[in-house]
Order: sequence, then structure tokens, then C-alpha cells
Amino acid sequence: DIVMTQFPDSLAVSLGERATINCKSSQSLLFTSNSKNYLAWYQYRPGQPPKLLIYWASTRGSGVPDRFSGSGSGTDFTLTISSLQAEDVAVYYCQQYHSSPFTFGPGTKVDIK
Amino acid sequence: QVQLVQSGAELKKPGASVKVSCKSSGYTFSTYYIHWVRQAPGQGLEWMGMINPYGGGTTYSQKFQGRVTLTRDTSTRTVYMDLTNLGSDDSAMYYCARDVGEGASGYWGQGTLVTVSS
Repeated sequence: DIVMTQFPDSLAVSLGERATINCKSSQSLLFTSNSKNYLAWYQYRPGQPPKLLIYWASTRGSGVPDRFSGSGSGTDFTLTISSLQAEDVAVYYCQQYHSSPFTFGPGTKVDIK
Repeated sequence: QVQLVQSGAELKKPGASVKVSCKSSGYTFSTYYIHWVRQAPGQGLEWMGMINPYGGGTTYSQKFQGRVTLTRDTSTRTVYMDLTNLGSDDSAMYYCARDVGEGASGYWGQGTLVTVSS
């Protein structure tokens, strides 16, 4: 199975400041045949289902604000929230869908400082 | 709009089975895979498996192999997740989710809480 790790485990950022979350996979998520990285990011707020933020490592999901961006390739990926808003307090998960089982990272909790 | 509506909360005894349904609307049912993901209290998200509504083909996480069965009813646009031999560590919120392309889950059901307790 592909193992996903995330760091930090948690972070606290002031409103309007940048938040950066890192995700690393135990093997490359890049398919050279189509040059796509099979990596997604989700936001998980208490009492709500997860929300897809980013897929193909850098494509924003439907209706996702442009303050959320994804980058990276191969085994190293980053989710950036450019200007943290109060509603962004949540746990963020990366997930690989390169190979079954489609494993998630352990999550990063984001709070307001 | 795309909607996934799951069945209600379940309370089961250890060793029992549970069947959770996920009814889809707002898109062509056969076009997109449906995934099942769970979150146990205090734990992270865990992918369980997926089903192709077009032909019914399934892929399961090895962790659940032999205990989970995904099926679909194309006439009602419903996918079912059957989990057998429940233990207390199966107490979790279970979600179905629709694929947006080769594995990322873009549309989610509201979740079904399964509690396993004697």
C-alpha cells in the first residue's frame, strides 16, 4: 500500500495569513503516460462530509475559493491557503488515488492563532 | 445538482451485519464510480472500496476484503455497502462519495453513523 504522511500535524495561523500543509507519498503518484499526479486534498469540518478542494494535485474542485491552491509532483505535495479565513478551520487530508487502496494521510488540523 | 442521500443511523450488536444505502441523483448514474470512506471517532479518513455502477465491478481495500460487499441497483440509482461480522472498531461515520475522475471523490453523501455496541 502507498503510505501517505502529512506535516505538520497541526498549525495555527492568524486570520489573513498563509497556511501551508505538506504531504508526502511512499511512492510516486505521477503517471508518466498522462503526466498527471493522482493526488487530492480534502477539507473536513466537524459535522459535515469531507469536501474536495484539489485533485490532480493542482486542479481546484467546483466552487472552491482561489485562496486554496495545490502544488507538487511525484512524491511531494503542498496545499496552500493564501489568506486564512475563519471558515477554513478544519482538518485537511491528502489522498492518493494512484493505486488501490486509495489511502489518506493522517490529517493536518488548522486553527486560528 | 448532484446529490447522494444515505440511509439513517444504525445500532448493531457485535458480530452482526449492516447494510448502508446511497441513492444518487442529478447525473448519469452509470458514468462515475462510487467510493466508500469511513471515519472512526478520533481517527482519520479510511477508504474502504469502490464500485463501478456501469458493470458492477468492485475494488476493495485488503483490510476489508471478505467483510465488505458493494452492490448497485441501476433501476433505483442506489449503491449499497454491506459490512459483516461487525466489531466495536467498526463504529464510525460511513460516507459514500462520487468520483470526479479516476479516483478523487467530489460529491459526498451526508454520512451514516454506525454504532456497534452490545
